[in-house]
Amino acid sequence: QVQLVQSGAEVKKPGASVKVSCKASGYTFTNYDISWVRQAPGQGLEWMGWISVYNDNTDYAQKLQGRVTMTTDTSTSTAYMELRSLRSDDTAVYYCARGGGQLHEFDYWGQGTLVTVSS
Amino acid sequence: QSVLTQPPSASGTPGQRVTISCSGSSSNIGSNYVYWYQQLPGTAPKLLIYRNNQRPSGVPDRFSGSKSGTSASLAISGLRSEDEADYHCAAWDDSLTGWVFGGGTKLTVL
Repeated sequence: QVQLVQSGAEVKKPGASVKVSCKASGYTFTNYDISWVRQAPGQGLEWMGWISVYNDNTDYAQKLQGRVTMTTDTSTSTAYMELRSLRSDDTAVYYCARGGGQLHEFDYWGQGTLVTVSS
Repeated sequence: QSVLTQPPSASGTPGQRVTISCSGSSSNIGSNYVYWYQQLPGTAPKLLIYRNNQRPSGVPDRFSGSKSGTSASLAISGLRSEDEADYHCAAWDDSLTGWVFGGGTKLTVL
């Protein structure tokens, strides 16, 4: 069965960086894009961007351009999302999801990783 | 504020039919498919409806989706206590060239 398993919770200080991992299993990793979606406490979902696992092309949300980098390691079927220059309003649960392009729904999701930014 | 607009809450009694609306614009719902995700308390979202009205395998036919113009709706018939969750709509936005979501609707089963 398809599974996306994410790394554990993180606590970071403002200005620091965080890197969240997402290990995929149960399907051919290179056949599907990976997206990242975050959810601030008590808020809705916010799309952060996606990466083509096939050719490493990326597309990031405009508001995160310059602060976010998405990568993959096909040897371990793992996707990564790094967010830099963290601010308090980056505190959220970060989800990876399979899918990404305009016509590709998010059909499987990771369990989520809580990132807390606090001084 | 979210690009797509949903009511913050909805409620119904067991067995009832409830609908949740999602309003957008010509650059998102008006020109692209609508998707719905169910988020049970403390868990990750789950795909509920794709391409306006299609159900993934395993989703009961009590859940249905529709779209008209720049708005969409999720209907849940035969409401059950286990349907209590947050429901999020989503669509691709051609102007933003990215996915946009609604703010989510918290469904309470009374």
